[in-house]
Amino acid sequence: SQKIEQNSEALNIQEGKTATLTCNYTNYSPAYLQWYRQDPGRGPVFLLLIRENEKEKRKERLKVTFDTTLKQSLFHITASQPADSATYLCALAPPGGYQKVTFGTGTKLQVIP
Amino acid sequence: SAVISQKPSRDICQRGTSLTIQCQVDSQVTMMFWYRQQPGQSLTLIATANQGSEATYESGFVIDKFPISRPNLTFSTLTVSNMSPEDSSIYLCSAVQGGENTIYFGEGSWLTVV
Repeated sequence: SQKIEQNSEALNIQEGKTATLTCNYTNYSPAYLQWYRQDPGRGPVFLLLIRENEKEKRKERLKVTFDTTLKQSLFHITASQPADSATYLCALAPPGGYQKVTFGTGTKLQVIP
Repeated sequence: SAVISQKPSRDICQRGTSLTIQCQVDSQVTMMFWYRQQPGQSLTLIATANQGSEATYESGFVIDKFPISRPNLTFSTLTVSNMSPEDSSIYLCSAVQGGENTIYFGEGSWLTVV
């Protein structure tokens, strides 16, 4: 089965800096990878999806990279703001199997004013 | 994208009782799922809600404990039966639209069993 490693320790960063979160996985190479934001006690909110044949995807201040050789995805938030403080989850999906989507435990980001 | 509404958003339940969570999607979706997220843990898939037929349960989850209905393409319910404190968790409804790969989530139902 797929295993995902996200840094379980909280990431503290100064406002205005770039936050970089890491998602490492083992076993098979996923068909695509998703990043979600989750606030305490709430459901995850979809942010970005990147496919296995894509190296990079951007959306406003967000950037995701996908390195299938390293089995790693990086999630960047540029010009970070206190409102970006939340837990960020990565999720990996094998080809053709939504039931087999595996979620990481998430990394908590704290942006300090 | 799909907008998913869940209710209740939060509840405190007595041990031994049952609670039904409702999930409404604003458009027809191909697949609906129910997840559980226990404190400090990742999301765990409970079952796939199948329209007009019995849900498909993942290992460790059974219909008697978590009966699920999906009468149409936009609505599903999850019942947590005979609750114990171990059932305290956030329960999440999710959906996938045809032609998309993204799983969208509802806001979650935070249940505390006392």
